[in-house]
Amino acid sequence: GQQLNQSPQSMFIQEGEDVSMNCTSSSIFNTWLWYKQEPGEGPVLLIALYKAGELTSNGRLTAQFGITRKDSFLNISASIPSDVGIYFCAGQGFLSGSARQLTFGSGTQLTVLP
Amino acid sequence: GAGVSQTPSNKVTEKGKYVELRCDPISGHTALYWYRQSLGQGPEFLIYFQGTGAADDSGLPNDRFFAVRPEGSVSTLKIQRTERGDSAVYLCASSPGGANTEAFFGQGTRLTVV
Repeated sequence: GQQLNQSPQSMFIQEGEDVSMNCTSSSIFNTWLWYKQEPGEGPVLLIALYKAGELTSNGRLTAQFGITRKDSFLNISASIPSDVGIYFCAGQGFLSGSARQLTFGSGTQLTVLP
Repeated sequence: GAGVSQTPSNKVTEKGKYVELRCDPISGHTALYWYRQSLGQGPEFLIYFQGTGAADDSGLPNDRFFAVRPEGSVSTLKIQRTERGDSAVYLCASSPGGANTEAFFGQGTRLTVV
């Protein structure tokens, strides 16, 4: 099935550093979501974006919904060890019919070194 | 319940056998989704229920896969004549429905077909 282009695939950073990851798509999405997944668990919602150009923060996390509706980025500031995990972007079409399903990126594996 | 619950957490089955995977969504959530996640990939959409009916089953890979939600709450994903390629983590998610599309995931069922 279709997946979004998410980069980077993996990141190794020092504790305290900032992190940035992004997603691009050939399709327009109405909603962008960012999830974090830890081993043996399901994805946990971090941030939801509903408007083109929207910039939303959740603690040390900041995400933006691209103006073209085809991209989004997630920033994590001042990383800490518990930020370790796989981060997924997900796009959702308009709220009719099949567009309600989420299309996921392939994930960014984040490792935070002490 | 407090969150989406999936049972079993792990299932090992022999090739050719039939399996059922269960999902208990968050109480009151009308929308329910099944996704499949292969190693190193993001989740891929299988089927979406709004209430009791399957609003979109376009992600089911073939007719060996079927899902039901007879009372609009618990859902069961059924896989007939399992194949080794069916091995994956099967994730269930629920959302309140309507304009609120934020989906909350269960921990998943890891299916291994040997």
